[in-house]
Amino acid sequence: ETGVTQTPRHLVMGMTNKKSLKCEQHLGHNAMYWYKQSAKKPLELMFVYSLEERVENNSVPSRFSPECPNSSHLFLHLHTLQPEDSALYLCASSRELTGTQYFGPGTRLLVL
Amino acid sequence: AQTVTQSQPEMSVQEAETVTLSCTYDTSESDYYLFWYKQPPSRQMILVIRQEAYKQQNATENRFSVNFQKAAKSFSLKISDSQLGDAAMYFCAYKETSGSRLTFGEGTQLTVNP
Repeated sequence: ETGVTQTPRHLVMGMTNKKSLKCEQHLGHNAMYWYKQSAKKPLELMFVYSLEERVENNSVPSRFSPECPNSSHLFLHLHTLQPEDSALYLCASSRELTGTQYFGPGTRLLVL
Repeated sequence: AQTVTQSQPEMSVQEAETVTLSCTYDTSESDYYLFWYKQPPSRQMILVIRQEAYKQQNATENRFSVNFQKAAKSFSLKISDSQLGDAAMYFCAYKETSGSRLTFGEGTQLTVNP
């Protein structure tokens, strides 16, 4: 499945670094999502965008900053992260806000 | 709030055999979707099957089928003729028809033995 791509696939960063995760969907969808998957925990929805507007922010710390410049691209800007932020970050998209979500391969993030 | 429960953290099956993964959910809504996603070691989350609550007929996708019991709020996944490539973490998920939020269960790790 190459409809949703994510880069980089792996990232190691220090707590003082600034980095960005990128997600791109090639499905013509209008909604995009960021999820966090930590070990031994269910997936947690972080942000939801519909037609480039943020429609949901689930009490995510401000050290995570999303950006959706157009309906095909979604970024997650990271700064001053903590070791507990180490996780798999998954991007998803859907045709419309209520549609079935299709996921990218994820970015495995390690914060040292 | 909606919750999804997968009571089997781990399951195993012999190649070519059939296995059933359990999922229960709690909701006060009457219209919603249920999903099974598969996450192999590559960590890619892959949609396996989808069920619309208003449809009484159980969804089927090739070797994958569900047993949807709306009154009991149960949504199990049956994998027939299991293959080595079916080995993965399987997640049950719930979504309201009018909403965007997917609520996931904690997952069931399926091992397929040759």
